[in-house]
Amino acid sequence: EIVLTQSPTTTAASPGEKVTITCLASSSVSNMYWYQQKSGASPKLLIYSTSSLASGVPDRFSGSGSGTSYSLTINTMEAEDAATYYCQQWSSNPWTFGGGTKLELK
Amino acid sequence: EVQLQQSGPEVGRPGSSVKISCKASGYTFTDYVMNWVKQSPGQGLEWIGWIDPEYGSTDYAEKFKKKATLTADTSSNTAYIQLSSLTSEDTATYFCARVAIPDVMDAWGQGASVTVSS
Repeated sequence: EIVLTQSPTTTAASPGEKVTITCLASSSVSNMYWYQQKSGASPKLLIYSTSSLASGVPDRFSGSGSGTSYSLTINTMEAEDAATYYCQQWSSNPWTFGGGTKLELK
Repeated sequence: EVQLQQSGPEVGRPGSSVKISCKASGYTFTDYVMNWVKQSPGQGLEWIGWIDPEYGSTDYAEKFKKKATLTADTSSNTAYIQLSSLTSEDTATYFCARVAIPDVMDAWGQGASVTVSS
């Protein structure tokens, strides 16, 4: 099973600040996916195939990476971005998620 | 509009079973695989397995092979997950999520909570 380790576990950012979340995989994966989950809500797809923006997602979000190291970047933090973010892979069974990064508004 | 409407909260006794439904609308049910994901209280996400409603084929994470059974009813466009031999570790919210190309979960149900309590 591929283990995904996210860092940081928790972080806070002020409006306008840049935020970067990292996801390290225990083995190489071909692509990474990112989901956003706000409190009490279902997860929402943000980024697919490492760097493609899902429909309706603001372009302040971006993804990058390859092999075992991937990242999600929010170029300019907005209040509505406060949420928990999960990376996810499906290069090998089972699908696995990272442990999540809680992003708070400072 | 694609919608996945899940059934309401369930309470199950230890050792019993519960069955959660996920009714799909706004798309052709048999064109997409359906994933199921578990979220324990205050915890992260765990993939349980998927079902292809067209063929009834399934795949499960090893951890859930003896715990969960995925089925689908194409006449009602509804996917189901049955959880058996309930223990306190099954207390969680369970999500259904449509799988679109390329292997993305692009639509999610609102989640169904299961509480195991005697």
